[in-house]
Amino acid sequence: NAGVMQNPRHLVRRRGQEARLRCSPMKGHSHVYWYRQLPEEGLKFMVYLQKENIIDESGMPKERFSAEFPKEGPSILRIQQVVRGDSAAYFCATGQRNTEAFFGQGTRLTVV
Amino acid sequence: GENVEQHPSTLSVQEGDSAVIKCTYSDSASNYFPWYKQELGKRPQLIIDIRSNVGEKKDQRIAVTLNKTAKHFSLHITETQPEDSAVYFCAANYNFNKFYFGSGTKLNVKP
Repeated sequence: NAGVMQNPRHLVRRRGQEARLRCSPMKGHSHVYWYRQLPEEGLKFMVYLQKENIIDESGMPKERFSAEFPKEGPSILRIQQVVRGDSAAYFCATGQRNTEAFFGQGTRLTVV
Repeated sequence: GENVEQHPSTLSVQEGDSAVIKCTYSDSASNYFPWYKQELGKRPQLIIDIRSNVGEKKDQRIAVTLNKTAKHFSLHITETQPEDSAVYFCAANYNFNKFYFGSGTKLNVKP
């Protein structure tokens, strides 16, 4: 759905740099989910946030990854000290209570 | 937590034939089951969904069936067309909390 905006669409980072991925939900949506998709693979859950709260981060790697969804502004997925294995497509999906989740177009991260 | 398994991983059919993709889930509390279609390089898009109080739902050539007792649900595509070629993902969800996705089925419709 065009209402879920992710940026940037493509991001190239050198090993050791930081990557910041942004997700702006559809209007009225307060639930944000982040998923990682490796080439030719499925969607792996990372984290589920509601406004200002992390509800479930069971899919987040223990180190270098963090996420936030502030009261104002987009949700941010931050990856510190990126490594080649972080190269993937990162999708966010947003929803509201009792609605389906709509996906953004994804950010394709390439670590060189 | 929930575990969603999806089969087959790849499916090749002749144009005009039907395609069936099956998923099982483990958590009996799951009550919402969407199906997403993802074309190459694009975002997953919802194509049909079903809630646990319904056994079957149909939308033109696409239908989904749900068997709560057996904890499985299926996607049925009839009269397949080349533009149906994509990767399809099932998902299970409880009260719209975390969505658990299957591993995907790559459908190839041969003209």
